Amino acid sequence: GAVVSQHPSWVICKSGTSVKIECRSLDFQATTMFWYRQFPKQSLMLMATSNEGSKATYEQGVEKDKFLINHASLTLSTLTVTSAHPEDSSFYICSASMGYEQYFGPGTRLTVT
Amino acid sequence: GESVGLHLPTLSVQEGDNSIINCAYSNSASDYFIWYKQESGKGPQFIIDIRSNMDKRQGQRVTVLLNKTVKHLSLQIAATQPGDSAVYFCAEKEAAGNKLTFGGGTRVLVKP
Repeated sequence: GAVVSQHPSWVICKSGTSVKIECRSLDFQATTMFWYRQFPKQSLMLMATSNEGSKATYEQGVEKDKFLINHASLTLSTLTVTSAHPEDSSFYICSASMGYEQYFGPGTRLTVT
Repeated sequence: GESVGLHLPTLSVQEGDNSIINCAYSNSASDYFIWYKQESGKGPQFIIDIRSNMDKRQGQRVTVLLNKTVKHLSLQIAATQPGDSAVYFCAEKEAAGNKLTFGGGTRVLVKP
């Protein structure tokens, strides 16, 4: 149980375009979902926390207008990287929580050319 | 701000030996700690957790030790196997919130 999926698993896009990443909790309802970013050989850095039906809470230094988060249901959250640039290339990981524990998705590799 | 600190060493271990990975944290308000394993290109995988009212917890081949006095956390892996090769992260959570703060990670390489 407690499986989290992400789609797509990898994506390549051109600079200036937008990319949407989906995070789904497959067998449970997640009251809270989290989005992380991980650069090569670095740790996970929390970008934002989202609760179903409310606005996401962004960490300091994360541009909310650039990284749009929608959490429309208890099983789906989306992260849209708007006007992507090469420096946005990273591994984006979501997690879903229904209580104390967080269950992580497999990650999405974004490459902006 | 406060953070979970973990220098980024690479730990080379002979297959069959025990591994010990260390983590220092600085947030005295943290009450829940987790160890994750991350293989290349994948998301973090839960290994074991411990709450602040405990100082030791054992799982299958893994043991987590918590020393609140010196704010230190360790993960011991018994009889390390090639499949244990990965990057290991510690993470902490405050009692008052639901956010996890990750340490820097340690790469474990198991030599056959």
